[in-house]
Amino acid sequence: GAGVSQSPSNKVTEKGKDVELRCDPISGHTALYWYRQSLGQGLEFLIYFQGNSAPDKSGLPSDRFSAERTGGSVSTLTIQRTQQEDSAVYLCASSLYYHTLSTDTQYFGPGTRLTVL
Amino acid sequence: QQQVKQSPQSLIVQKGGISIINCAYENTAFDYFPWYQQFPGKGPALLIAIRPDVSEKKEGRFTISFNKSAKQFSLHIMDSQPGDSATYFCAASRGNTPLVFGKGTRLSVIA
Repeated sequence: GAGVSQSPSNKVTEKGKDVELRCDPISGHTALYWYRQSLGQGLEFLIYFQGNSAPDKSGLPSDRFSAERTGGSVSTLTIQRTQQEDSAVYLCASSLYYHTLSTDTQYFGPGTRLTVL
Repeated sequence: QQQVKQSPQSLIVQKGGISIINCAYENTAFDYFPWYQQFPGKGPALLIAIRPDVSEKKEGRFTISFNKSAKQFSLHIMDSQPGDSATYFCAASRGNTPLVFGKGTRLSVIA
């Protein structure tokens, strides 16, 4: 079946502009995660959605970052007033999430490479 | 505070050799330890994972060794092949919470 898809694959923007990154999770997956991958820094958690629960926003680096998930499926990560340090690959992952005592595999999309000039 | 420390940053192994990547964690509440493989331009893909109730898990040429008392776990790739050349990330989590990743190891397998 189809995996996690993300768009655009690449985004170049000017400092100060807003950008929106889209994630389409695997159908039926109730948990959705956003991570950021910077050169040499590994993957950094940003935000986590689970079903209808309030999202875990504890990883967002500043209030310029926000995300929403509509209808329990597609998610959009928005970065306002982009800065050069926002340049990174933004990865989305989804998982089934049966219950809190289990651990379901997180499946990653190919990422969006964001370059802020 | 880096909760998962991964070493080495880069590794060069001869074809047919054994690749070993190590990780150490701090949070004793972690109960799930996956390894992800990432090729350039692709997202990470789950390679193998272990829970702390076992000390070793093997899938084909890939083995995870887990030492709960030392809070360490490692990935061994036996008979390493050029196609294994990629970046490997260890990670940890508790239940279905966001993964905490190591900083990655770039593996190059040379013929």
